[in-house]
Amino acid sequence: GQNIDQPTEMTATEGAIVQINCTYQTSGFNGLFWYQQHAGEAPTFLSYNVLDGLEEKGRFSSFLSRSKGYSYLLLKELQMKDSASYLCAVTDSNYQLIWGAGTKLIIKP
Amino acid sequence: IAGITQAPTSQILAAGRRMTLRCTQDMRHNAMYWYRQDLGLGLRLIHYSNTAGTTGKGEVPDGYSVSRANTDDFPLTLASAVPSQTSVYFCASSPDRSTGELFFGEGSRLTVL
Repeated sequence: GQNIDQPTEMTATEGAIVQINCTYQTSGFNGLFWYQQHAGEAPTFLSYNVLDGLEEKGRFSSFLSRSKGYSYLLLKELQMKDSASYLCAVTDSNYQLIWGAGTKLIIKP
Repeated sequence: IAGITQAPTSQILAAGRRMTLRCTQDMRHNAMYWYRQDLGLGLRLIHYSNTAGTTGKGEVPDGYSVSRANTDDFPLTLASAVPSQTSVYFCASSPDRSTGELFFGEGSRLTVL
């Protein structure tokens, strides 16, 4: 079966760095996506990786290792507004998006 | 402002009633999707449409139906609501089915009693 695993919840301190991991097992691979979802709101697109390596976008970076079925989202200089759930998703060989259950990130002052 | 509009935002419904959740996008995207989101389970695909006139079943299609008469509209119908359909429903769209970057509506919170 197809599966995406990510931690249920993480806590970090304002101003610090946090890494949210995601491992996946899917039928084929056509890209990995990270979305941010604030409580009570819709998910919004954060990043896309299709090749191995690090993609940097401001305070957020996303890493992919296709051979290991592994990705992480790195958030630097954490701000209170970064408190949200972070969803990892993979497109399989049929371009179907497979979603993880999400990681709830709690930022403490 | 371009995007996806869902209605209603919130609804309480008696079991057995019929309900249609509306979704309209103005981005001229070909692909549209309906997801439900339940605590601890993440997003689950109900139905999708790769282009106007076509629809397909997702992971959890039972009890739901959709239609795609034109590019902009993608309504989701619950023919006879049951309490297990209590959830938050998100409509989403993308330029085409191969794009994993989805644009989501604000969601419809449905409670079936």
